[in-house]
Amino acid sequence: QVQLVQSGPEVKKPGASVKVSCKSSDYTFTTYGISWVRQAPGQGLEWMGWISTYTGNTNYAQKFQGRVTMTTDRSTSTAYMELRSLRSGDTAVYYCARDREYRNNRYYYYGMDVWGQGTTVTVSS
Amino acid sequence: EIVLTQSPATLSVTPGERVTLSCRASQSVSTYLAWYQQKPGQAPRLLIYDASNRATGIPARFSGSGSGTDFTLTISSLEPEDFAVYYCQQRINWPPMYTFGQGTKLEIK
Repeated sequence: QVQLVQSGPEVKKPGASVKVSCKSSDYTFTTYGISWVRQAPGQGLEWMGWISTYTGNTNYAQKFQGRVTMTTDRSTSTAYMELRSLRSGDTAVYYCARDREYRNNRYYYYGMDVWGQGTTVTVSS
Repeated sequence: EIVLTQSPATLSVTPGERVTLSCRASQSVSTYLAWYQQKPGQAPRLLIYDASNRATGIPARFSGSGSGTDFTLTISSLEPEDFAVYYCQQRINWPPMYTFGQGTKLEIK
């Protein structure tokens, strides 16, 4: 079935970087963009940014500008989110979500309708 | 930045009840509002997009309404599996940009 499968948990030290992957299956990867959303322990949802899997264009939340990079690998239908200069406040579950269908040179919004299972990133010295 | 305020923070209800959750935006978001359900240890699940459109596979007991700054999610008759946290989310049309409300927790009374 249509799904997004994310990479496993990570433990990083402050100042390090982490790269989380999100592999799609059972749909054409380039027909939907991907958003990344994180959730700190016991907290709400926080949108980090979006990438067009068709063009590679990105839009990042201002909070993460300069510290996050989102990329894709069409050959493996995989999206990536790299976060640098990690600090304890980055400890969270990171989710990818399918977002905006691409048709006829336009994006159409139908909600973030498919989510990965989440990747726990722990930042600790 | 548009701020979404959800109320109440927690709602204690019994199965079978009709429930209305509120989401208020700090400025107009037209109908660019979605609702998600999240259960412990699970990813969020899309319920409603663009204020009133039910996502694929979502039961008819879930409905959304509103426009501008005031939105509601209504569950017509609570089922045991509906106890969860509900988030509203607004979007900027282009470039894609989103903010979430802080969530409303539905708990069993």
